[in-house]
Amino acid sequence: ETGVTQTPRHLVMGMTNKKSLKCEQHLGHNAMYWYKQSAKKPLELMFVYNFKEQTENNSVPSRFSPECPNSSHLFLHLHTLQPEDSALYLCASSQDEQWGGRLFFGSGTQLSVL
Amino acid sequence: AQKVTQAQTEISVVEKEDVTLDCVYETRDTTYYLFWYKQPPSGELVFLIRRNSFDEQNEISGRYSWNFQKSTSSFNFTITASQVVDSAVYFCALSEAGSARQLTFGSGTQLTVLP
Repeated sequence: ETGVTQTPRHLVMGMTNKKSLKCEQHLGHNAMYWYKQSAKKPLELMFVYNFKEQTENNSVPSRFSPECPNSSHLFLHLHTLQPEDSALYLCASSQDEQWGGRLFFGSGTQLSVL
Repeated sequence: AQKVTQAQTEISVVEKEDVTLDCVYETRDTTYYLFWYKQPPSGELVFLIRRNSFDEQNEISGRYSWNFQKSTSSFNFTITASQVVDSAVYFCALSEAGSARQLTFGSGTQLTVLP
């Protein structure tokens, strides 16, 4: 079983849809992250949760709504997205936010907004 | 502000060739961490190495080696005797305070190793 699991792997949605991305980590970590990866651009940090508390919202539009019910699960709720939101959304975890170490990533959800 | 530049967007080599991926960084801090991650076609980024700013010793791990030079603000990555399985996007990253909130990634280098 992989350390960080993301579902679904692929998602196509219309601009008026509501969908959610799910991330689960089996590593006993306390920090979880959402990153956005667009073509030809560096990874962009979106949200950080440390011990279930949101510690970073990197100027992300409100059409993206994160939820962290416990240290093992992280959701990204999507609504009224725009075509430019099409990207690979990656979830990651680490021991805690001040890790000084490494991030463990999931395989991502490839999102297409039509 | 911190910045990571990977000037090589795409590199293509033939199997068994050596290849070096360049990484140049900018930071005002004296304490920082540098990273390399590999992103294979499956999508997940895989951690390769972490270096702190006080450790300029080069590192070798199998066919991988890293050259950290503070004088030129570079942290280059060399793959010796490349293999097809090395084909991936490689990201260099910098964190000034060891916090993920301050982790800045470069734009990545797509490495293709041809058989």
